[in-house]
Amino acid sequence: RKEVEQDPGPFNVPEGATVAFNCTYSNSASQSFFWYRQDCRKEPKLLMSVYSSGNEDGRFTAQLNRASQYISLLIRDSKLSDSATYLCVVPWGGFKTIFGAGTRLFVKA
Amino acid sequence: DTGVSQDPRHKITKRGQNVTFRCDPISEHNRLYWYRQTLGQGPEFLTYFQNEAQLEKSRLLSDRFSAERPKGSFSTLEIQRTEQGDSAMYLCASSLDPAWSYNEQFFGPGTRLTVL
Repeated sequence: RKEVEQDPGPFNVPEGATVAFNCTYSNSASQSFFWYRQDCRKEPKLLMSVYSSGNEDGRFTAQLNRASQYISLLIRDSKLSDSATYLCVVPWGGFKTIFGAGTRLFVKA
Repeated sequence: DTGVSQDPRHKITKRGQNVTFRCDPISEHNRLYWYRQTLGQGPEFLTYFQNEAQLEKSRLLSDRFSAERPKGSFSTLEIQRTEQGDSAMYLCASSLDPAWSYNEQFFGPGTRLTVL
């Protein structure tokens, strides 16, 4: 099993749609989790952090399910500008940080 | 600009040559990470520095790769005897973290390496 797994997509959704991505992780000891956004040919940037059961920031909601070892990212009312790759990130204990392969999202007018 | 900077932005080299990349983190950040990213994949962890100490190195990293962070400021990543499989984007990130916690990592724009 991969350390961090994401559905690569792509997800093609119309503007205004709600879309959700899942990320599973294999290290049950991980305590904090992150979603980063990466635009084409750009560096990753932090979108949200998840330290307990969940976090909400405007149209974005991240949730954590420790029992099933997955985190999710929900985007409501999708905008064209949300088109990007969304990376799930799990600090792995020690000092290693594991990134998922990313989920590609295309929002169309 | 007070963000993370990397130099060069692009490097084309011939197989077998040595290359060195530089990363200048955000000045007060104590943690520095190097990653490698290939097309369609997320960043792959290479190594980590806490101040000047290299505390973790990926087991995937061959002996041809070495990194330093003298005086806990800028860092260099050297690849010796480059191979075509080394072609990738090399990303540097820095963060300011208390012990045993994880905060946002700020990434530089990356160095794109092409090995011919």
